[in-house]
Amino acid sequence: DTEVTQTPKHLVMGMTNKKSLKCEQHMGHRAMYWYKQKAKKPPELMFVYSYEKLSINESVPSRFSPECPNSSLLNLHLHALQPEDSALYLCASSHRVNTEAFFGQGTRLTVV
Amino acid sequence: KQEVTQIPAALSVPEGENLVLNCSFTDSAIYNLQWFRQDPGKGLTSLLLIQSSQREQTSGRLNASLDKSSGRSTLYIAASQPGDSATYLCAADNYGQNFVFGPGTRLSVLP
Repeated sequence: DTEVTQTPKHLVMGMTNKKSLKCEQHMGHRAMYWYKQKAKKPPELMFVYSYEKLSINESVPSRFSPECPNSSLLNLHLHALQPEDSALYLCASSHRVNTEAFFGQGTRLTVV
Repeated sequence: KQEVTQIPAALSVPEGENLVLNCSFTDSAIYNLQWFRQDPGKGLTSLLLIQSSQREQTSGRLNASLDKSSGRSTLYIAASQPGDSATYLCAADNYGQNFVFGPGTRLSVLP
C-alpha cells in the first residue's frame, strides 16, 4: 500500500475562517511534507517533518501552521488566508527525508 | 540551491512513437532523482526513483537514466499511448534535504 490520503478534496473558505487540511499515511514513513502548487506551476515545498519534528520551513507565512501529532498524521492549519493562497495543497511522505516520495491527491483550496 | 529545468515544455506526438523527456539540474552532488506523472488537477504519481549510485531504472515501458557529471536525466517512454498524456515532472534532491521540482513537460499522445 503506497497510499497517502488527504482530506478534504476541495475546500472553499473565507478570509476570516479557520480551517485545517489533513494528511494520513500508514506506510511507516517518518518524513512528511506539505507542498503548494499553483496552476501550471511545479509544486513548491512549504514544510518538512522528520520523525515528527519540523525540519524545514520554507519561509512560509504564519497564517499557515503545520502540525504532526504522530508519525502517521500531518495537519496544516489555515487562518486569515488571502485569495492568492488559493492553490492545490499536496501532502507527501517518504521512508525518511530524501528517499522515494509518495504524494496524495491534494486538497483544492479556494479562498474567497 | 538546486535548480531543475526540463525540456521540452510541451510535446505532442502520435500514438506509438518512442519519446525522450529531458531534465537538467545544477548541483551534481545529488543523492536521488525522481520522476513523477501528474494528471490535470490531481496529485503526483511516482514513476521511477534513481539513486546516485545507479545509472538507470526501468519500469515497464519507462526507462530513466541519470548522468550526474553532466547534471542530466532522461525519461524514455516506449510505444507511447493516449493514456500516457499527462505532465511529467522530475525532482532532484536539494543537498539531501528535500526534492526540488522542474517545471514539467506537458505530453499529449494523439490517437
